[in-house]
Amino acid sequence: QSALTQPRSVSASPGQSVTISCTGTSSDVGYYNYVSWYQQHPGKAPQLMIFDVNRRPSGVPDRFSGSKSGNTASLTISGLQADDEADYYCCSYAGDAIYVFGTGTKVTVL
Amino acid sequence: QVQLVQSGAEVKKPGASVKVSCKASGYTFSSKYMAWVRQAPGQGLEWMGRIDPSGGSTSSAQKFQGRVAMTRDTSTTTVYMELSSLGSEDTAIYYCARNSNSGYDFWGQGTQVIVSS
Repeated sequence: QSALTQPRSVSASPGQSVTISCTGTSSDVGYYNYVSWYQQHPGKAPQLMIFDVNRRPSGVPDRFSGSKSGNTASLTISGLQADDEADYYCCSYAGDAIYVFGTGTKVTVL
Repeated sequence: QVQLVQSGAEVKKPGASVKVSCKASGYTFSSKYMAWVRQAPGQGLEWMGRIDPSGGSTSSAQKFQGRVAMTRDTSTTTVYMELSSLGSEDTAIYYCARNSNSGYDFWGQGTQVIVSS
C-alpha cells in the first residue's frame, strides 16, 4: 500500500479559503467512502476533522468541509484563521481491514 | 470522558523489541477498534495496524507483517503493540487511536521510541 498523495504545502491569507487534495487509487479513495482528515499542530497528537468523506465530528467548525471525486478527496478550509496553520493528513480505508494515510500538507496562514 | 493513556518513552538497541501500552477509559472498551499509528521525526503519519478489542483479531500494514504484534487485556482495558527487530528507521512517536466510523476520533498522547546503539 502506497501513501496517498497530498501537496507538500498550501498557503493563503486570513479569511481566504484553501483546498487540500488527497489522491489515491481505485482501490482506496476511489472505491470506499471512508476518507478522514486530521489536523496536527507541532508537538501534538492529530485531531479528527472529517470522517466518511464529508462528515464533521461535533466541535469541528463548519469552516472545514470534505468532498470526493473519483480517486481524489479534498479538504476545504474556508475563512482561514491563524490557528488553522498546521499539518493536515488524509486517510482512507483500503480494504482487507487496512488503512493508509496521505503524505501530509502544511497549511500556512500568510 | 474518553482517554487513551500510553506508556512512557523507550530507548532500545538495534535488533531489540519494544512493547507500548495504551490504556483506554471512558467508553466500552470492546466496542471500538484500536489502531496504531507512528510518526518518524519530521515525517508523516503511518498506519501500522489495528486490533478488535472484542475478539482480539488484528490486521496490519504489509510493511509490518511478521514484525508487529498487537494484543489486548480486557480486564485492564489496555491494548499493546510490540514491534520486533528494531532498526534506526523505527525511531518514531507511536500513537494509539480509537477507530470510530471511518475515522480515528481519540488519540493517545504518543510514546517516543528511540532506537540507538
